[in-house]
Amino acid sequence: GNSVTQMEGPVTLSEEAFLTINCTYTATGYPSLFWYVQYPGEGLQLLLKATKADDKGSNKGFEATYRKETTSFHLEKGSVQVSDSAVYFCALQSGAGSYQLTFGKGTKLSVIP
Amino acid sequence: DAMVIQNPRYQVTQFGKPVTLSCSQTLNHNVMYWYQQKSSQAPKLLFHYYDKDFNNEADTPDNFQSRRPNTSFCFLDIRSPGLGDAAMYLCATSRDRGRETQYFGPGTRLLVL
Repeated sequence: GNSVTQMEGPVTLSEEAFLTINCTYTATGYPSLFWYVQYPGEGLQLLLKATKADDKGSNKGFEATYRKETTSFHLEKGSVQVSDSAVYFCALQSGAGSYQLTFGKGTKLSVIP
Repeated sequence: DAMVIQNPRYQVTQFGKPVTLSCSQTLNHNVMYWYQQKSSQAPKLLFHYYDKDFNNEADTPDNFQSRRPNTSFCFLDIRSPGLGDAAMYLCATSRDRGRETQYFGPGTRLLVL
């Protein structure tokens, strides 16, 4: 079956530090991959996505590259801000006709001034 | 220009007292989903509507029901809430099933007393 593994949190960084949140997956076929962000008390917001191998998704300074050879979709940002403090979920959606999103457990990021 | 709207944002109910949560969308999407997210966990899909067709996940308790009277609105009914049903309930939509991005609402946080 499908599964997503994210690095354990919480992650605490100083403002302007470099961020990496690791995500690896197991899926049948060629899944679409997503990063969602959840700010405190809020719902999920789509941060970025990639639908095929070697695609790079990017948004708000965040990037992630779909690596088929390593089955990974790591999230990176060069310089984090306090406002980036949130929980980040990696997710996949596999195959035509498959509607179900498979989520990782989430990684809580706290950025301190 | 809110796209997926959930009301109320916070709902308090009593043990065993039926409660209804509401979701509406301005995207004219065919598919609407309901997820349950308990504290510090990933969202869990309860069911979805593909147009008027209701699709229940195998492990969704009978206590949870849903209605979709038209394209724009979808309701989650909890017939007899238990303490274990306290959670964030997230509504999402997608244009179609399969490789389609899901867009989430802000969620309704349910408290059961």
